[in-house]
Amino acid sequence: NAGVTQTPKFRILKIGQSMTLQCTQDMNHNYMYWYRQDPGMGLKLIYYSVGAGITDKGEVPNGYNVSRSTTEDFPLRLELAAPSQTSVYFCASSADFTGELFFGEGSRLTVL
Amino acid sequence: QQQVKQSPQSLIVQKGGISIINCAYENTAFDYFPWYQQFPGKGPALLIAIRPDVSEKKEGRFTISFNKSAKQFSLHIMDSQPGDSATYFCAASRKYTGNQFYFGTGTSLTVIP
Repeated sequence: NAGVTQTPKFRILKIGQSMTLQCTQDMNHNYMYWYRQDPGMGLKLIYYSVGAGITDKGEVPNGYNVSRSTTEDFPLRLELAAPSQTSVYFCASSADFTGELFFGEGSRLTVL
Repeated sequence: QQQVKQSPQSLIVQKGGISIINCAYENTAFDYFPWYQQFPGKGPALLIAIRPDVSEKKEGRFTISFNKSAKQFSLHIMDSQPGDSATYFCAASRKYTGNQFYFGTGTSLTVIP
């Protein structure tokens, strides 16, 4: 059972470049999330989705975009990379209202 | 603004001892309080969770104590083991709001053999 799969695991970007972090889940969960994790800051919600075609902003959405065309996939797009976006990004999913989040293994992004 | 405040930032405990991590929240609309455990290079994984209708929940060596009036909850790890060495995050959420979770800043636990 794969669970939540994120790619790539590591990426180095130059300032101003764009990229997409991919996230796929095989648990048929309606809810999906993108978090960023910075040292001493915990996990901050970037965007979330309650189902295909529905997305909404979290605490720190600036500089990011998402789409949800299928139940399985929830890609996160960085349009103009900035050093402040250097972080570890986690995708997660959950079934409706159960509360448990299932996380991927993370994508470490460095912007230079 | 940090919705959930967690302490301490780091904790060192001897094998067999009790590890205690504390969290506090302000929003009384929160109705689900999980703890997540994260090992280096991995994503967080649910450890144990509680809802505010009970004051304590125990699963093996892990116990959540919940004080609704004080808006505080804590994780107790009994008989701590070196394999418990990890980062622990408390969190809080409200149902029917997209299931949004607010995480604490994390506690790095080291259990010394």
